[in-house]
Amino acid sequence: DVVMTQSPLSLPVTLGQPASISCRSSQSLLSSDGNTYLTWFQQRPGRSPRRLIYEVSNRDSGVPGRFSGSGSDTDFTLEISRVEADDVGVYFCMQGTFWPHTFGQGTNLEIK
Amino acid sequence: EVRLVESGGGLVQPGGSLRLSCSASGFTFRTSWMSWVRQVPGKGLEWVANMNDDGRERYYVDSVKGRFTISRDNAKNTLYLQMDSLRAEDTAVYYCGRDPKHGSIDYWGQGTQLTVSS
Repeated sequence: DVVMTQSPLSLPVTLGQPASISCRSSQSLLSSDGNTYLTWFQQRPGRSPRRLIYEVSNRDSGVPGRFSGSGSDTDFTLEISRVEADDVGVYFCMQGTFWPHTFGQGTNLEIK
Repeated sequence: EVRLVESGGGLVQPGGSLRLSCSASGFTFRTSWMSWVRQVPGKGLEWVANMNDDGRERYYVDSVKGRFTISRDNAKNTLYLQMDSLRAEDTAVYYCGRDPKHGSIDYWGQGTQLTVSS
């Protein structure tokens, strides 16, 4: 199975400051169809996961512009330009190029 | 509005069986891939199974192969997960989700808790 490794696992951030989460895969996520199936989810406390970013960098409708995704091959990043209180929660990356789809361990973002 | 509502969770003894249901509305269920994902409270997410629109393609994570069966009734807009030979390590919140492409679930249910314990 493809192993997804996130860092850091805990991310204390001051309100208004940027935040960055890294996600590395154990093999390239470039699919034979030319797409890279790397998704970012946010899970607020007590809630179901919510998709933020799909195919590396496509932001879902309703997701604030301060969230952005980038990367390629085995190295991916989720960035929040200015953290707000509403951003508290756990962030997961997930690869969908290979079965079984696999998730990173999650990064717990909290406000300092 | 898209809605996914899971039901059927509960407390089961090891070796027992249970069937989860996921009722869908607000989108064209019969043309959608659907998935089950589970989460041990306070822990990470694990893909369990998914299936295509007509049910001919089904995929399972190794840990549930031969014990769990994903199915659907497109006439009822409902997804199912039949779970047999349950183990303590199957204890988790089970979510269903619409899977538009390669696992990128865009809508999630609220989840249903399964506890396997004697």
